[in-house]
Amino acid sequence: EVQLVQSRTEVKKSGESLKISCKGSGYTFSIYWIGWVRQMPGKGLEWMGIIYPDASVIRYSPSFQGQVTISADKSTSTAYLQWNSLKASDTAMYYCVLTKTYGSGTWFDPWGQGTLVTVSS
Amino acid sequence: DIQMTQSPSSLSASLGDRVTITCQASQDISNYLNWYQQKSGKAPKLLIYDASKLDTGVPSRFSGSGSGTHFTFTISSLQPEDFATYYCQQSQHNDDLPSYTFGQGTKLEI
Repeated sequence: EVQLVQSRTEVKKSGESLKISCKGSGYTFSIYWIGWVRQMPGKGLEWMGIIYPDASVIRYSPSFQGQVTISADKSTSTAYLQWNSLKASDTAMYYCVLTKTYGSGTWFDPWGQGTLVTVSS
Repeated sequence: DIQMTQSPSSLSASLGDRVTITCQASQDISNYLNWYQQKSGKAPKLLIYDASKLDTGVPSRFSGSGSGTHFTFTISSLQPEDFATYYCQQSQHNDDLPSYTFGQGTKLEI
């Protein structure tokens, strides 16, 4: 079974750094891009960026460029999302997604279970 | 950036009803439109990709149609497990500038 398993809930303070993870299993990690999606409390879904598994290519949504860093370690089949200095507005659920492309269409399947990040000021 | 306008934002319906949600793109996205279901407290789940293709295991009461800028998602006969929030998402992009915008979501309630 193809699965993305994310790291646990995090509670941090403003200004702290954080790196959350997403481990793929049940498939060849090097085949599919992995993306990240943010969902703020009570709000909709926002695509943040994607990474090719060997980390050779990373693309960010303009809204998140410079705000987060996406990385991956092919040897452990794990992708990461990192902040250098958290803000209260980073409080959200973060999902990693397996990004599948066929032709020019792209879709997200499956999704990780989500990592809840709470940042207090 | 391509904007996606989804409507309605919420919808009340009864078991057995036929419901339709629409998604309008700000520019032509061909058929690069996906639909997801999110139940309360859970991660979203892919239902339909490329506007009309059902993902594996998705019941046939779900369907999607459209191309260009106007898309619809239909549930033919509502079941108890269908009450959730539904999102459309476009995937028109070039390799250098991917942009996978979501609609605002439609909350389907009893």
